[in-house]
Amino acid sequence: EPEVTQTPSHQVTQMGQEVILRCVPISNHLYFYWYRQILGQKVEFLVSFYNNEISEKSEIFDDQFSVERPDGSNFTLKIRSTKLEDSAMYFCASSDSGYNEQFFGPGTRLTVL
Amino acid sequence: RKEVEQDPGPFNVPEGATVAFNCTYSNSASQSFFWYRQDCRKEPKLLMSVYSSGNEDGRFTAQLNRASQYISLLIRDSKLSDSATYLCVVTVSGNTPLVFGKGTRLSVIA
Repeated sequence: EPEVTQTPSHQVTQMGQEVILRCVPISNHLYFYWYRQILGQKVEFLVSFYNNEISEKSEIFDDQFSVERPDGSNFTLKIRSTKLEDSAMYFCASSDSGYNEQFFGPGTRLTVL
Repeated sequence: RKEVEQDPGPFNVPEGATVAFNCTYSNSASQSFFWYRQDCRKEPKLLMSVYSSGNEDGRFTAQLNRASQYISLLIRDSKLSDSATYLCVVTVSGNTPLVFGKGTRLSVIA
């Protein structure tokens, strides 16, 4: 069964450093999403991406965040200057149409020290 | 204002019990409704969509009341493997972001 994959599974970084979280969506999917979940909190939407551009973003997704689809398979989330409060689980999701189920990857746990 | 509210639990029930979870949502424009399951430190996985007429999938029954903006999930004959956090999720339309509740934790005890 096709699945969304994410790397790394755990990333530890120092405050102020840049991190890139990588996702490989399911191959025939066209809609891509990033969500995050701070420990003990709810899953929160960050950004959606379709047709090589951002289609929607939340207030969390400020100038320190960016997304890119550098090739036909990867979808990345870059955090430019990490803060302590960026520590969270980051989930990538994809769907084949905007109206169908979003499939989630296993997540990247980001720890900012 | 909280968009999707759930009782956080935990619900501790014996195997074989029936347990019900409730959820309310604040955005009356919401059109699609789901229950997701999340195991500890894992990704959310779709359990079932929720339709206006109510729907059942084996031991799981979901109900939607649009007038009250209320969604429920009933689990019959609980199994140990049902232990997880159950997330109520809504979206305004199919291609808009999912809005998650904080989840209700269920522990099924032998």
